[in-house]
Amino acid sequence: DTAVSQTPKYLVTQMGNDKSIKCEQNLGHDTMYWYKQDSKKFLKIMFSYNNKELIINETVPNRFSPKSPDKAHLNLHINSLELGDSAVYFCASSQTASSYEQYFGPGTRLTVT
Amino acid sequence: GQSLEQPSEVTAVEGAIVQINCTYQTSGFYGLSWYQQHDGGAPTFLSYNALDGLEETGRFSSFLSRSDSYGYLLLQELQMKDSASYFCAVLTGYSTLTFGKGTMLLVSP
Repeated sequence: DTAVSQTPKYLVTQMGNDKSIKCEQNLGHDTMYWYKQDSKKFLKIMFSYNNKELIINETVPNRFSPKSPDKAHLNLHINSLELGDSAVYFCASSQTASSYEQYFGPGTRLTVT
Repeated sequence: GQSLEQPSEVTAVEGAIVQINCTYQTSGFYGLSWYQQHDGGAPTFLSYNALDGLEETGRFSSFLSRSDSYGYLLLQELQMKDSASYFCAVLTGYSTLTFGKGTMLLVSP
């Protein structure tokens, strides 16, 4: 069984479109994250949720909106996609918000044309 | 601001030992983690140091000196499968892991 799963794995879309990425973890963890990894492999936190509550919201455009329907799921919706949004988006989870070990999903490669 | 410095690339041969250094300047510090990421894969946790000293896990060891804001990952008996990117990451606060830019390790036969 996959610990942290994401769908879709690949997403190719045009500028201006709206898209969503879904994430699920079956580890029973309290905390979930979204990271963006750019073409230079720089990995940056975007959002963090603890028990469905938003606790970290880095400087991310308002076009990005996370949603956590329950503590096992964290989705990311992106409006009005731009070329600069092309990246790999990773979902991750940890046992608690103060845990140092995070478990990453396989990533979603988003390409905006 | 937060900054973590690590070499961009390191090369070594199979069976050798390699050390990847990380220096950090962060506004908060709870500990230093290391993650491995193979091409096309997800980052996976390797080790964590909250206190000064060396932590050993099989062929991998990690070291931390809080007074020097410095740590390193030591990989012994290198294998081809160790070719990957290695990231140091500082736990800077509640739910906040700040990553370095990664070191690409190339292991040749």
